[in-house]
Amino acid sequence: GAGVSQTPSNKVTEKGKYVELRCDPISGHTALYWYRQSLGQGPEFLIYFQGTGAADDSGLPNDRFFAVRPEGSVSTLKIQRTERGDSAVYLCASSPRRQGGELGQFFGPGTRLTVL
Amino acid sequence: DAKTTQPPSMDCAEGRAANLPCNHSTISGNEYVYWYRQIHSQGPQYIIHGLKNNETNEMASLIITEDRKSSTLILPHATLRDTAVYYCIVYSGGSNYKLTFGKGTLLTVNP
Repeated sequence: GAGVSQTPSNKVTEKGKYVELRCDPISGHTALYWYRQSLGQGPEFLIYFQGTGAADDSGLPNDRFFAVRPEGSVSTLKIQRTERGDSAVYLCASSPRRQGGELGQFFGPGTRLTVL
Repeated sequence: DAKTTQPPSMDCAEGRAANLPCNHSTISGNEYVYWYRQIHSQGPQYIIHGLKNNETNEMASLIITEDRKSSTLILPHATLRDTAVYYCIVYSGGSNYKLTFGKGTLLTVNP
């Protein structure tokens, strides 16, 4: 079946611009996560959605970052007034929710964001 | 979540078993040990997880010590396609949804 997809795969923008990154989770997965991965580091948690609501946005670095998931499936990560330090790979993951077990998170291929 | 310690890099010959260690000495009783790997330019991929007992699936085996303070991921017959960064993560799951990645171990499988 289809996995998690992310678009675009690469995004180059100029400092100060606004960008949107899209994530299509696996069908039926109610949980959705965004992570950010800088070069040479492991992914870092940004935000978690359960359904339509952001259950935890504590990983968002500042108020320039915002994410939505209006219908409980597709999610968009929005970055305002981009800075060069925002350059990274942005990863999306989804998982089913079930009691008594955890099947792990399924990751997309990521969007590589470069801020010039 | 408990902190994990992994060697930064390891090498393995193609066709041989790759044994990747992980220390998690502060693990709690309800925390699982998860392993993910990340092949270059791809997202992380779930491999296996366990709580107390050893586990095996089509990809790998997971050996957890009796005191649960360390574990070893075993790839029984490593191939060149197994070259990746391997992450050991301690995770309680359920309401604790964050995966906390360290820097992992870069496994290089050599021909």
